[in-house]
Amino acid sequence: AQKITQTQPGMFVQEKEAVTLDCTYDTSDQSYGLFWYKQPSSGEMIFLIYQGSYDEQNATEGRYSLNFQKARKSANLVISASQLGDSAMYFCAMRGDGGFKTIFGAGTRLFVKA
Amino acid sequence: DAGITQSPRHKVTETGTPVTLRCHQTENHRYMYWYRQDPGHGLRLIHYSYGVKDTDKGEVSDGYSVSRSKTEDFLLTLESATSSQTSVYFCAISQFAGTGALRDYGYTFGSGTRLTVV
Repeated sequence: AQKITQTQPGMFVQEKEAVTLDCTYDTSDQSYGLFWYKQPSSGEMIFLIYQGSYDEQNATEGRYSLNFQKARKSANLVISASQLGDSAMYFCAMRGDGGFKTIFGAGTRLFVKA
Repeated sequence: DAGITQSPRHKVTETGTPVTLRCHQTENHRYMYWYRQDPGHGLRLIHYSYGVKDTDKGEVSDGYSVSRSKTEDFLLTLESATSSQTSVYFCAISQFAGTGALRDYGYTFGSGTRLTVV
């Protein structure tokens, strides 16, 4: 069975510092995709970044990067230069072979301090 | 100009009544999904659709049914609402299925429906 684990229920970071949100996954699929989403307090879900399992380079999107370590089955999100607006819930997600179903972790709530 | 809208945004209903939530998209995406969000569980897939009249179950489909008669509309029905179905329901759309692509834009989510069953 596929599973996403986010072990940090909540994290604090000082404004302008970098922060890493942990995500490990479990799958027997050879091909899969990894995603991160942000959910601000307003409730909407926002796609941040994607990593394909065959892509050997870590994905980057602006201040977001995905630290992909395939052998360790980890897909950590790194946010550089944190901003107050980064305070939100962050979800790691995976879509495996068969391709329709994306599963989500329980989320990590990030608090950015001024 | 949102490409995906959900209705209603909020609903309170009584136990045992049927409830239908609507998801409407203007993006012409083939794939549509219904998730529920509960504290400590992240998002869990209820049902999904991979085309008009093509639907399948997710991991928490008991007590729910769906229909998709047009590309743009995906309906979720709680056949007889129970208190355990109190949740926030999200509809999502995507251009892609499959895995391993070098580029993917993930899901676009609706704003969510907060459903309370009393």
